[in-house]
Amino acid sequence: GQSLEQPSEVTAVEGAIVQINCTYQTSGFYGLSWYQQHDGGAPTFLSYNALDGLEETGRFSSFLSRSDSYGYLLLQELQMKDSASYFCAPNAAGNKLTFGGGTRVLVKP
Amino acid sequence: EAEVAQSPRYKITEKSQAVAFWCDPISGHATLYWYRQILGQGPELLVQFQDESVVDDSQLPKDRFSAERLKGVDSTLKIQPAELGDSAMYLCASSPRTANNSPLHFGNGTRLTVT
Repeated sequence: GQSLEQPSEVTAVEGAIVQINCTYQTSGFYGLSWYQQHDGGAPTFLSYNALDGLEETGRFSSFLSRSDSYGYLLLQELQMKDSASYFCAPNAAGNKLTFGGGTRVLVKP
Repeated sequence: EAEVAQSPRYKITEKSQAVAFWCDPISGHATLYWYRQILGQGPELLVQFQDESVVDDSQLPKDRFSAERLKGVDSTLKIQPAELGDSAMYLCASSPRTANNSPLHFGNGTRLTVT
């Protein structure tokens, strides 16, 4: 079967570091994607991990452990504009993505 | 930067009526997706096309929903008859290919309200 878990909400102050964990059970798993969605906006692609380890893109990093069916998104040096929902989305064959319920990140001054 | 175009942006309809949404993917993108997103939840895949062929419609309520991509370019999603529970954002996305590291590019969606 398929299952996906991530925290529903995280609150942090500007400049802080936030880690959003994601655990999954996905048939035919290929990799883990992360998307950001601001209120009223469209989801936008952040990162993709196919192999174990850490991928860094500016202030955002993403990690994958295939053996643990676990990944996380790390947001560093938080800014107000980072207030959004963040979705982990395991990729299955044929680039089929299943989105989690999302983690709402609220950044406070 | 090229975008996925969707119309209408908003749609209000009465239950039991028919409604249709249109999507024009980024030029050259072979794969097209329709997702439904209920407020406060993640997008749920309804149907995935590769060119003009459906590759996954396992979550599409086929008794009332239909989707087509006749020439492998733009696509239409139809609901008939609409029900109150269909109120949601309908998102279209495209990607260049079905390679598993190919990011999805989303349109701004159609917000449907069924009264």
